[in-house]
Amino acid sequence: EVQLVQSGAEMKKPGESLRISCKGSGYTFSNFWIGWVRQMPGKGLEWMGIIYPVDSDTRYSPSFQGRVTISTDKSLSSAYLHWNSLKASDTAIYFCARQSSTASWPAFDHWGHGTLVTVSS
Amino acid sequence: QSVLTQPPSASGTPGQRVTISCSGSSSNIGSDTVKWYQQVPGTAPKLLIYANDQRPSGVPDRFSGSKSGTSASLAISGLQSEDEADYYCAAWDDSLNEGVFGTGTKVTVL
Repeated sequence: EVQLVQSGAEMKKPGESLRISCKGSGYTFSNFWIGWVRQMPGKGLEWMGIIYPVDSDTRYSPSFQGRVTISTDKSLSSAYLHWNSLKASDTAIYFCARQSSTASWPAFDHWGHGTLVTVSS
Repeated sequence: QSVLTQPPSASGTPGQRVTISCSGSSSNIGSDTVKWYQQVPGTAPKLLIYANDQRPSGVPDRFSGSKSGTSASLAISGLQSEDEADYYCAAWDDSLNEGVFGTGTKVTVL
C-alpha cells in the first residue's frame, strides 16, 4: 500500500526556520515526482512545487520560488519543505503528494495527511 | 487568485445529478488535460478524474469528467451523502509555468 506520512504539526514564531517532512513507502520512492500543496485556513489548494528524487530536479511555482526550498533524501525515501524565515502568512496546512506517472501535472494520486504549520508571535 | 474559476457552491438531493463547471484559458485548460479532486473537510484531497475523463481505480463511475475548449465539467450522478465535499479542478498553466487549481466548489447534499 502506497503511503505518504508527514511530520507533525508545528507552532513557530515569525523569523524562525522550519523543515517539515514526507516519507514515502509501499512503492519505489525514487521513481515518482513528489509535490507540495498549500492550503491556507478556509481557502483552496495552491501548487507550490515538485521534485524528482532521482536527481533532485525541482520546479517551483513563481509564487513560492525563493520563499521555500524543496529537497529530498532518496536514501530515506523522504521529501522536505524548508523555510529560512517564517511569516505569519505561512500559516497553513501543507500536503505532500505523489505525482502520477501516467498523467500530466498536477495529477497527484496519493497524498499525505497534511502538516499544520502555525506561525504566530 | 486562481486562474481556474468554479462556482462556489452546488447542491442536490440524494439520487440527483450535480454538475460543476471549471473555466480557464488557452494557457491552461486549453492546452492541458483537466484533473478533478475531492476534499472532504479535514482530510487530504483525493484524485477523482485525470486526463479530462479518466477515473483512477476505485473511483465510482458516478463521477464523470468532460472538457471542451477552455472549460471543463465534473458530473456527479446518483448523488450520495458521502459526496458532500469540496471539489477542485486542476491543470498545468504554460504561461504561469505552474500547476493551477480551481477556486473550489462546495457540494451540499440536501
